[in-house]
Amino acid sequence: DAGITQSPRHKVTETGTPVTLRCHQTENHRYMYWYRQDPGHGLRLIHYSYGVKDTDKGEVSDGYSVSRSKTEDFLLTLESATSSQTSVYFCAISHSERELFFGEGSRLTVL
Amino acid sequence: RKEVEQDPGPFNVPEGATVAFNCTYSNSASQSFFWYRQDCRKEPKLLMSVYSSGNEDGRFTAQLNRASQYISLLIRDSKLSDSATYLCVVNTNTGNQFYFGTGTSLTVIP
Repeated sequence: DAGITQSPRHKVTETGTPVTLRCHQTENHRYMYWYRQDPGHGLRLIHYSYGVKDTDKGEVSDGYSVSRSKTEDFLLTLESATSSQTSVYFCAISHSERELFFGEGSRLTVL
Repeated sequence: RKEVEQDPGPFNVPEGATVAFNCTYSNSASQSFFWYRQDCRKEPKLLMSVYSSGNEDGRFTAQLNRASQYISLLIRDSKLSDSATYLCVVNTNTGNQFYFGTGTSLTVIP
């Protein structure tokens, strides 16, 4: 299995609070991604990174920010969580035009 | 229009049956194609890549039709353990972007 860990794996928070999810890889892959998965929508890209300090928006980036200060870490921040951000968040890595490897997911509930 | 479209199913088939899933993609410049399997409350895992010439891995066969822009997955001799959601994934190679279908649910019945 690819070396990807996500933390926390589960989190319950209240509306308006900031939340940071962390993705850590040991594979030295260039590309890292954050997706959310919701019933009826499948996996949707939030943000992705193509190198240290190089990030770009995906299709559902509103309300989210990311940072990548090291190759191995990609952080997803919800500045002020809303109930619509209740979801399962998956981090994924790729070595360039090859398959994606996913982390185990972070289940976030915003009350 | 969605980048990747799949029939969501569900497909309920008896053990031993053959089942086929199809997926269409909209971007003719897409270069890489994959099938992923996702079990309930788990992360997606790569089942197989799809090559232009078609490829087989045991009971699983994947086909790509570039002219019609669709990808297929055939599962022969279905097992109970094949029950999962199967995701079609396409990479445009532009910015290494991956696009997902919503998944097709398969339940294999004893």
